[in-house]
Amino acid sequence: KNQVEQSPQSLIILEGKNCTLQCNYTVSPFSNLRWYKQDTGRGPVSLTIMTFSENTKSNGRYTATLDADTKQSSLHITASQLSDSASYICVVRAAGNKLTFGGGTRVLVKP
Amino acid sequence: EAGVAQSPRYKIIEKRQSVAFWCNPISGHATLYWYQQILGQGPKLLIQFQNNGVVDDSQLPKDRFSAERLKGVDSTLKIQPAKLEDSAVYLCASSLQTGGSGEQFFGPGTRLTVL
Repeated sequence: KNQVEQSPQSLIILEGKNCTLQCNYTVSPFSNLRWYKQDTGRGPVSLTIMTFSENTKSNGRYTATLDADTKQSSLHITASQLSDSASYICVVRAAGNKLTFGGGTRVLVKP
Repeated sequence: EAGVAQSPRYKIIEKRQSVAFWCNPISGHATLYWYQQILGQGPKLLIQFQNNGVVDDSQLPKDRFSAERLKGVDSTLKIQPAKLEDSAVYLCASSLQTGGSGEQFFGPGTRLTVL
């Protein structure tokens, strides 16, 4: 069964600090992996997309990594800002276009 | 470029009542999705349309949920009758590429509360 597990479920960090979110998946055959940011009361917005051959991809202060061998991905937030407070959802696409969503990590950045 | 539009943004109903949500995707997007997102969880796909045809409705509770996209543009999701466990945010998303292989763009969602 295709599954996407995210950890931690939630975390609180101080403004300016870094944090890393984890995503482990069992989706097969793998096509790509996206990280979405979902602000409260809004729909998810794509941050990055990772394909099988990509190890690292950055989008401003967000850096995603992918280890296709261990089926793990991470999202690193550098120098967090209050606006980074949101849920971050990992979504894995199988080769047949089926999407599997993780449960998300809720991040709260405090001043 | 206008994003995915949804209405209403909020809806409160009593159990056993009916409710309908509307979604207008980004112009030209052939694929449209409806998701149910329970508080604290990731979205769960309810139904996927390719133009006006259903691609995947395997997780749609068909005894009470129905959806249509008659002209291949906007779509309506209906719940009849609603249950307490239907309280959730209903997200609509659309994507450009056929087969749903591209990025999905999400609307703001409709927050449903069933009392």
